[in-house]
Amino acid sequence: AQTVTQSQPEMSVQEAETVTLSCTYDTSESDYYLFWYKQPPSRQMILVIRQEAYKQQNATENRFSVNFQKAAKSFSLKISDSQLGDAAMYFCAYRSGANDMRFGAGTRLTVKP
Amino acid sequence: GAVVSQHPSRVICKSGTSVKIECRSLDFQATTMFWYRQFPKQSLMLMATSNEGSKATYEQGVEKDKFLINHASLTLSTLTVTSAHPEDSSFYICSARAEQGVGNTIYFGEGSWLTVV
Repeated sequence: AQTVTQSQPEMSVQEAETVTLSCTYDTSESDYYLFWYKQPPSRQMILVIRQEAYKQQNATENRFSVNFQKAAKSFSLKISDSQLGDAAMYFCAYRSGANDMRFGAGTRLTVKP
Repeated sequence: GAVVSQHPSRVICKSGTSVKIECRSLDFQATTMFWYRQFPKQSLMLMATSNEGSKATYEQGVEKDKFLINHASLTLSTLTVTSAHPEDSSFYICSARAEQGVGNTIYFGEGSWLTVV
């Protein structure tokens, strides 16, 4: 079974600085997708960034980028120039084929002004 | 972009009654929808996979007679919590898989808060 592990229950970053959230996963599949979702207090699941496993290039979306290490099964999220609005729960997720999405336990990010 | 709507967003029901939550894909067809439950300060836990026109596939430990799932059309799946009890109070969220036009992407609904009193 696929598992997703987020080892940081809470992280804190100063506004305008950079923070990295860790995620590792376990799978025997070769083709899959990895995601980072942001969940603010409203509980809406907001897709932050997505990475296809077959792509070697790390995905980037504005201030958000990932460090995808397929061999190590690691998928960390870097948030640059952190903003107060980035404060939320962040979930790492895995999905293969047409299957459901599996989530890590989440990391609560606090942004200090 | 594709939109998934859940209704109601908040519901309070009395213990012993049943409550239905709807999940609709507004601008795409979804043969597969997923239902998750999220307890406070925890992650999303998959309850079941809802397949249009067939029975839902439940995860281990989820009571299928208590959490009834119906996926009667390509745009609607419903979750009915039967004989609800206070321990069923939780945040329930659905997602739908778009199979055409948007690249097999999954979209989440806004979620539904259930409080059983």
